[in-house]
Amino acid sequence: DAMVIQNPRYQVTQFGKPVTLSCSQTLNHNVMYWYQQKSSQAPKLLFHYYDKDFNNEADTPDNFQSRRPNTSFCFLDIRSPGLGDAAMYLCATSRGQGAAGELFFGEGSRLTVL
Amino acid sequence: DAKTTQPNSMESNEEEPVHLPCNHSTISGTDYIHWYRQLPSQGPEYVIHGLTSNVNNRMASLAIAEDRKSSTLILHRATLRDAAVYYCILRDEGNQFYFGTGTSLTVIP
Repeated sequence: DAMVIQNPRYQVTQFGKPVTLSCSQTLNHNVMYWYQQKSSQAPKLLFHYYDKDFNNEADTPDNFQSRRPNTSFCFLDIRSPGLGDAAMYLCATSRGQGAAGELFFGEGSRLTVL
Repeated sequence: DAKTTQPNSMESNEEEPVHLPCNHSTISGTDYIHWYRQLPSQGPEYVIHGLTSNVNNRMASLAIAEDRKSSTLILHRATLRDAAVYYCILRDEGNQFYFGTGTSLTVIP
């Protein structure tokens, strides 16, 4: 059974039209992550939450925002998508038990910007 | 941010062992070594992780050098389903996981 669920799997939007991607988890993990993965590149960390504490990566554009209303859900908001934001967006969770805990990924949400 | 270096690509014949190397010369004493793999159009999946000792699980083995500056992921018998991009990652006491460029493994029938 899927433990990290992302919706939608595929999202098409127009240039500048806001988009929200969602992630839910059944693992009760403390930490939730959002990664951006462009074609033929490695995943790039955008930000993560440890419980309600938000941790933004220094090079994450302001166009990307996130919300975590409760332990189970986390959202990625792209306020004004540009063509360069077309990518796979990956949500992941971790127990936050220090360095030993592994990551659990969802299947990803593929964003197309027209 | 990436603290690991891996070859861009490797090939292996089906049913033969595969040794995927990773260099992490700046590793600190509390960093764990994690390996993930990503099949096309899927999210990465956990393979194995370790700190100092070699580790085995149902998917693979992880051999860690004595100085911990390098490690090797070992797939004992490569199958076509093992064709993927393999990422070696260091995780410290914080909660960030930074992916390196990874190794694209091709399995030849």
